[in-house]
Amino acid sequence: QKEVEQNSGPLSVPEGAIASLNCTYSDRGSQSFFWYRQYSGKSPELIMFIYSNGDKEDGRFTAQLNKASQYVSLLIRDSQPSDSATYLCAVNGDTGGFKTIFGAGTRLFVKA
Amino acid sequence: EPEVTQTPSHQVTQMGQEVILRCVPISNHLYFYWYRQILGQKVEFLVSFYNNEISEKSEIFDDRFSVERPDGSNFTLKIRSTKLEDSAMYFCASSVASEQFFGPGTRLTVL
Repeated sequence: QKEVEQNSGPLSVPEGAIASLNCTYSDRGSQSFFWYRQYSGKSPELIMFIYSNGDKEDGRFTAQLNKASQYVSLLIRDSQPSDSATYLCAVNGDTGGFKTIFGAGTRLFVKA
Repeated sequence: EPEVTQTPSHQVTQMGQEVILRCVPISNHLYFYWYRQILGQKVEFLVSFYNNEISEKSEIFDDRFSVERPDGSNFTLKIRSTKLEDSAMYFCASSVASEQFFGPGTRLTVL
């Protein structure tokens, strides 16, 4: 059974701080890695994707991938109260149908 | 900005009835998906669809479930003989490649 594991949180950080979210996955054949943000009662919103080992930066967000350790992380710099949401780590395998396995998510609270 | 749309936003049905959930994917996307999320639980993959056929499906997608692309714009999920445990939020998604964009969801309530 392919799994994606995340700490459920809540993770609480003060406004302006860096929030660090982590994720591990079980399938070594995984090819693509995603971070989605989900506000309560809303649908997942894609915020970052990464395919290669290393870091990928987009604005205040940095995704980090380490395939050897089967580890993905998301850093949010200068956290804002509007960043308060559940962050879902998601992983695609190599089966061609883009079946995506989601973690249960980490709840982030940014305190003003 | 183009987006995935879904109708209805909320569907209530009696156990044993059939429901059809509708989605309009982003127009130039090639891959279409259905996911579900039971309240308080993970987003779960149901099925992916490409070139007018199912690419992958999960164990959840049993023979009560079917998908169809009846025309050039719509993508539907049909659930026959609904069960109480089918109550969930159902999300449609679409993609050009692996990056999937989600619609707002249909909340299905089976009574």
